[in-house]
Amino acid sequence: DAGVTQSPTHLIKTRGQQVTLRCSPKSGHDTVSWYQQALGQGPQFIFQYYEEEERQRGNFPDRFSGHQFPNYSSELNVNALLLGDSALYLCASSLYQGGGEKLFFGSGTQLSVL
Amino acid sequence: GENVEQHPSTLSVQEGDSAVIKCTYSDSASNYFPWYKQELGKRPQLIIDIRSNVGEKKDQRIAVTLNKTAKHFSLHITETQPEDSAVYFCAASSNNDMRFGAGTRLTVKP
Repeated sequence: DAGVTQSPTHLIKTRGQQVTLRCSPKSGHDTVSWYQQALGQGPQFIFQYYEEEERQRGNFPDRFSGHQFPNYSSELNVNALLLGDSALYLCASSLYQGGGEKLFFGSGTQLSVL
Repeated sequence: GENVEQHPSTLSVQEGDSAVIKCTYSDSASNYFPWYKQELGKRPQLIIDIRSNVGEKKDQRIAVTLNKTAKHFSLHITETQPEDSAVYFCAASSNNDMRFGAGTRLTVKP
């Protein structure tokens, strides 16, 4: 039973570029949440996707967008990269049961913006 | 949205001692409170969780308590071991929106 998988594991971009990160949820899960974790900080909620729609969103600008596919996998897109976007991006999956679901995290994508 | 505060930011204990990490939350609608352990360079791993209809939950050396009236919850680790050294995060979930504390770096000295 595969857990949550993310790709790529590391990425280096320059300011102004665009990036796409990918996530495959744990088998049987239908919900994907994305988090940004800066060094030494807790994960910050970006958004959550369920039934191919953004269901919840944290305090992130519109430069951050996402998508969920019919197979429940998801992408996170960041446009016009800033130096401050350098962080570990974590994907977490869960099975929707009306609230309070356990999140299972992937290993993350380490994004460096130069 | 929910705001979760976590204390202390760092905690150092001797092997065998107990460790306590405390969190407060702001949204009274939050009903699910998990704790995650993150070792260096690894993904956060769920170690214990508690729901709002329960005041305490224990799993071997780990226990969590919840005070809904005061909006705070705590993680208790007894008989600490060097392998407990990691960063611990609390979280609170309201309406499918889970927010995390800033983390506590626990060091267990042998």
